[in-house]
Amino acid sequence: AQKITQTQPGMFVQEKEAVTLDCTYDTSDQSYGLFWYKQPSSGEMIFLIYQGSYDEQNATEGRYSLNFQKARKSANLVISASQLGDSAMYFCAMSDPYSGAGSYQLTFGKGTKLSVIP
Amino acid sequence: DSGVTQTPKHLITATGQRVTLRCSPRSGDLSVYWYQQSLDQGLQFLIQYYNGEERAKGNILERFSAQQFPDLHSELNLSSLELGDSALYFCASSYGQESYNEQFFGPGTRLTVL
Repeated sequence: AQKITQTQPGMFVQEKEAVTLDCTYDTSDQSYGLFWYKQPSSGEMIFLIYQGSYDEQNATEGRYSLNFQKARKSANLVISASQLGDSAMYFCAMSDPYSGAGSYQLTFGKGTKLSVIP
Repeated sequence: DSGVTQTPKHLITATGQRVTLRCSPRSGDLSVYWYQQSLDQGLQFLIQYYNGEERAKGNILERFSAQQFPDLHSELNLSSLELGDSALYFCASSYGQESYNEQFFGPGTRLTVL
């Protein structure tokens, strides 16, 4: 079964600094997707960035980039120039193929709570 | 705003009761996924529908059921509610059902069972 591990329950970062949130995954599949979502205190889940297992380039979306190291099975999220509004829970997720059905539900890690300090 | 709507936003009910959570996917999205987020279990996949048909089941209890209607909105029915069913229930939608399809989440329904 697929598994996502986020080893940092909480992180602090100074405003305007960069921060890396760790994510490792375990899968025997060759084709999979890796996602990062942000959950502010208001509760909604906000999609941030996606990386496909066959993508050779690391994904970037504005201040977010994904440091994808396939051999190490890691997909770390890098947030550059942190802002106060970045304070939230961050979840790493992997698309999890449901055998025989062509369906890909998400398996989530336990999350990292990021606090940005002014 | 993800374009996915969920109603109601909050729901407070008693043990043993039955509730229905409603989800409208983004325009054009055919897949609807339901997830449960609780303090002890984290975010867990419950069930997926694609264009009206059930496609995948996760950790969904037998007391829970769902369906997707011809207009693609979906409902999650929770019956014989227990205290442990208190959680945030998310609906997510995507256009397809491939590994690269982003899933866009609704704002969630917070269920409190007293």
